[in-house]
Amino acid sequence: KQEVTQIPAALSVPEGENLVLNCSFTDSAIYNLQWFRQDPGKGLTSLLLIQSSQREQTSGRLNASLDKSSGRSTLYIAASQPGDSATYLCAVRPPNNNAGNMLTFGGGTRLMVKP
Amino acid sequence: SAVISQKPSRDICQRGTSLTIQCQVDSQVTMMFWYRQQPGQSLTLIATANQGSEATYESGFVIDKFPISRPNLTFSTLTVSNMSPEDSSIYLCSVGGSQVSYNEQFFGPGTRLTVL
Repeated sequence: KQEVTQIPAALSVPEGENLVLNCSFTDSAIYNLQWFRQDPGKGLTSLLLIQSSQREQTSGRLNASLDKSSGRSTLYIAASQPGDSATYLCAVRPPNNNAGNMLTFGGGTRLMVKP
Repeated sequence: SAVISQKPSRDICQRGTSLTIQCQVDSQVTMMFWYRQQPGQSLTLIATANQGSEATYESGFVIDKFPISRPNLTFSTLTVSNMSPEDSSIYLCSVGGSQVSYNEQFFGPGTRLTVL
């Protein structure tokens, strides 16, 4: 059974810092990995999607890397801003199969960026 | 990408009552899912809503408690039946991005349910 872990569970940094959020998964047989952002009490916003054949994806100040063999992904946020404060979730998808398309989520990292 | 809306956005309900949550997508999608997020927790898949047939439920979730409808490729409902305070959660509708390959997944804004 796939298990996804995110470290740290919470993080507080001053504005302007570069930071790294970590995601690890136990089964390296994945189809893709997705990073989401969730604001308090809200839904999820997709940030980056990395296919299993890819090593990294970039969007603006965000860069996500994937090392499938070691079961790890990192989300790098450059020059953090107070507006980046949210919970960041990673989720992995199993290979295509007839049984479904179930994402397995990590517990999330709660990020606070202080002005 | 897909734009997903949910109604209601939040509700406060009494124990023993039922609430139906609606999910509307702006385009036809093959895969629709319902998730639950209990306070301080990550997301748990409740079921996959299948168009024209019964939903597929995950372990720990049953149709009598969480009946789901999916009359077409753009709409689904989730009912939380005979509610108790333990059902207080955010309920999220989600869709898969492609009919051909299981790709990026998108989420609605969620319905925040509080049961008294």
